Amino acid sequence: GGIITQTPKFLIGQEGQKLTLKCQQNFNHDTMYWYRQDSGKGLRLIYYSITENDLQKGDLSEGYDASREKKSSFSLTVTSAQKNEMAVFLCASSIRAGGYAEQFFGPGTRLTVL
Amino acid sequence: GDSVTQTEGLVTLTKGLPVMLNCTYQTTYSPFLFWYVQHLNEAPKLLLKSSTDNKRTEHQGFYATLHKSSSSFHLQKSSVQLSDSALYFCALRGGSALGRLHFGAGTQLIVIP
Repeated sequence: GGIITQTPKFLIGQEGQKLTLKCQQNFNHDTMYWYRQDSGKGLRLIYYSITENDLQKGDLSEGYDASREKKSSFSLTVTSAQKNEMAVFLCASSIRAGGYAEQFFGPGTRLTVL
Repeated sequence: GDSVTQTEGLVTLTKGLPVMLNCTYQTTYSPFLFWYVQHLNEAPKLLLKSSTDNKRTEHQGFYATLHKSSSSFHLQKSSVQLSDSALYFCALRGGSALGRLHFGAGTQLIVIP
């Protein structure tokens, strides 16, 4: 088994601030993902990384940057936090891209922008 | 492009009744379908998955059958329990974009005593 760790668990920012969220997995998975979830709503893909040196935009990449520092870690940066923004950012990983590969999710980072 | 539609946003049921949560999909490639469940303040977890046409797949009392003819993968359970209250997502991986899942909007299931 393995685990996905996301830091911080809670993040409070100011409007216009640049904020970084971190994700670590010890599954030794190739593929990692960042999703945004607004309260009780669906998952929107922000960025994903198929392998260690890859980076792909998702449906919601505008306003975000991402970095796959090494196989086990994937960071997400909110480039300019929007006032009154509230969302949960979920990191996920899968053993490989494509096919039947299951995605495992981390516990999330809850963002509040004042 | 690939997409998933879940028609019910909210389903409220009394304990012990059967449930069916709808999921239809669109892709031009061979589909892999997944159901994820997310309990309150928890991470989504895989419930079941399938890529085989007309074969029922089951897990934890839930079951679903992929029907390619109707592009559907509905989730069912014969008797819901209070602990089944959660957000359920249907997801599709087609061949159009390697690695990514396309999630539906989710269905909130609330089971009442």
